[in-house]
Amino acid sequence: GIQVEQSPPDLILQEGANSTLRCNFSDSVNNLQWFHQNPWGQLINLFYIPSGTKQNGRLSATTVATERYSLLYISSSQTTDSGVYFCAVRISGSRLTFGEGTQLTVNP
Amino acid sequence: DTGVSQNPRHKITKRGQNVTFRCDPISEHNRLYWYRQTLGQGPEFLTYFQNEAQLEKSRLLSDRFSAERPKGSFSTLEIQRTEQGDSAMYLCASSTRQGRFSGNTIYFGEGSWLTVV
Repeated sequence: GIQVEQSPPDLILQEGANSTLRCNFSDSVNNLQWFHQNPWGQLINLFYIPSGTKQNGRLSATTVATERYSLLYISSSQTTDSGVYFCAVRISGSRLTFGEGTQLTVNP
Repeated sequence: DTGVSQNPRHKITKRGQNVTFRCDPISEHNRLYWYRQTLGQGPEFLTYFQNEAQLEKSRLLSDRFSAERPKGSFSTLEIQRTEQGDSAMYLCASSTRQGRFSGNTIYFGEGSWLTVV
């Protein structure tokens, strides 16, 4: 099956710093989504981005489908950004395959 | 806000007992998914419904697991003869095809935590 690798596995930032999270995948995909899982377990959809670039406030994402990677940018980080960020992809059918996530901690 | 609703949110059960989780998807969504997540891991796909039809099942869904979606609305996930290895968070999600710009964006519920003792 498809492999999804996220890096870094852990990231600690001071409030106000910027960061880049990476997702590499091993096959062509027709669906790629970034999620944020908060400390209570809720998965929040951040972006649907199988290709191209999107921005939403302090967050933006870029997927280069031909090179099989996606990047999530967080600017001016806040403590509420803490949590786990997951990349999930689909090659066919219905199932999303998730990476193991990046655990982000933003300190005040 | 009528997001994906799951209950119970937490369940502690003794090994060997049966448990059932319920999921109410977003009302206009015809696609429904179940995932399982253990600590430190990303969610893993279990099964998928389109309307009332169960179209895909993971090999993770052993014969002790059964999922239904009568009338294409809410769904239930039952685990029979629970084992300690079943302890996990069970996530439900729903989606609808919204066109090529937003695609098959999937929305998750808050999950149901299962602890088997």
